[in-house]
Amino acid sequence: DAKTTQPTSMDCAEGRAANLPCNHSTISGNEYVYWYRQIHSQGPQYIIHGLKNNETNEMASLIITEDRKSSTLILPHATLRDTAVYYCIVRVQDGGSQGNLIFGKGTKLSVKP
Amino acid sequence: KAGVTQTPRYLIKTRGQQVTLSCSPISGHRSVSWYQQTPGQGLQFLFEYFSETQRNKGNFPGRFSGRQFSNSRSEMNVSTLELGDSALYLCASKLNEETQYFGPGTRLLVL
Repeated sequence: DAKTTQPTSMDCAEGRAANLPCNHSTISGNEYVYWYRQIHSQGPQYIIHGLKNNETNEMASLIITEDRKSSTLILPHATLRDTAVYYCIVRVQDGGSQGNLIFGKGTKLSVKP
Repeated sequence: KAGVTQTPRYLIKTRGQQVTLSCSPISGHRSVSWYQQTPGQGLQFLFEYFSETQRNKGNFPGRFSGRQFSNSRSEMNVSTLELGDSALYLCASKLNEETQYFGPGTRLLVL
């Protein structure tokens, strides 16, 4: 079972920031938080990941709370092309069984004009 | 650098047949994982290959199998197809133990 909880759906106005929350209250010290998104019928696309510190790349920012029990993915200026299902996943970075991705149901983000 | 490629992209089979899907990982990536995505069950892990050896396996019947070649390319096979095997099959590769990158998937329809 997925170790994360996300809202089923969210709406965001085009050009505004989209803030997608994720709860992972049972996260272990060696587990990273990963975010992927899947645009309809395509393969999941990697967005960003982090362990403790906040992270930013050209696509998004990841804010992880100090206790690491929750995080927020921020798309700073959402566009219509950001409409997708967003998955928050926790995983360890090793070759064991925990190293694979366990997907939950994700959050369906709809960006509206 | 080219991404993960999967062939074929679409496939139609009938019950009882078998099917083989192919995945070419990103150059230099030695790990290839396979996932099945259906509307009912979502994205589920099938198995992972690393250096031609199956390293991890999900909870799928033995009809689902795979292999990896010395050039890291991987194939998965499903024998005795059932209607419920209709799904999007996704392949992902990774370098070392970090980020997995997914291919576009193969959509399989079993009639």
